[in-house]
Amino acid sequence: AQKITQTQPGMFVQEKEAVTLDCTYDTSDQSYGLFWYKQPSSGEMIFLIYQGSYDEQNATEGRYSLNFQKARKSANLVISASQLGDSAMYFCAMVLTGGGNKLTFGTGTQLKVEL
Amino acid sequence: GAVVSQHPSWVICKSGTSVKIECRSLDFQATTMFWYRQFPKQSLMLMATSNEGSKATYEQGVEKDKFLINHASLTLSTLTVTSAHPEDSSFYICSARSAGVDTQYFGPGTRLTVL
Repeated sequence: AQKITQTQPGMFVQEKEAVTLDCTYDTSDQSYGLFWYKQPSSGEMIFLIYQGSYDEQNATEGRYSLNFQKARKSANLVISASQLGDSAMYFCAMVLTGGGNKLTFGTGTQLKVEL
Repeated sequence: GAVVSQHPSWVICKSGTSVKIECRSLDFQATTMFWYRQFPKQSLMLMATSNEGSKATYEQGVEKDKFLINHASLTLSTLTVTSAHPEDSSFYICSARSAGVDTQYFGPGTRLTVL
């Protein structure tokens, strides 16, 4: 069975600085996808970024980039130029291709951006 | 694109009553919809997967007679919590994906409080 580990329950960062949220995963499958979602206090889950296991380049979406290190089984999220609105819970998740498309979530990291 | 709505946003009901939550994909056809439950400060827990026109597949430990799921069209899935009790109080959130796409897009969630 697959597993996602997020070891940082909470992180603080100053506005305009970059921050890295850690995520490691465990699976014996070769074909999978990795996601990051943002959940503000309102509760909605906002899709941020996706990385396929066969993608050779790291995914980027605006200020978000995914540092994909396949050999280490890590998929860290990097947020550049943090903004106050980035304060939220961040979840890393994985789906196995052909595994019913079920998402397995990590426990989340609460990010607080300060002035 | 990829907008998912949920209705209602929050609901308070008396113990023993049934509550129906709707999940709609507004701008794409959702071949698969997922229902999750989230307790405060915890990650999302998958309850069931529903494919359009088929019976839902429930995760282990989720009572299918208590949490009735219907996915009658490519844009609508409903979750009915039957004979709700206080322990059913939680945040329920749905997600949807279209065929051939790994990414799940989430609705804004429904906060259920059972008195």
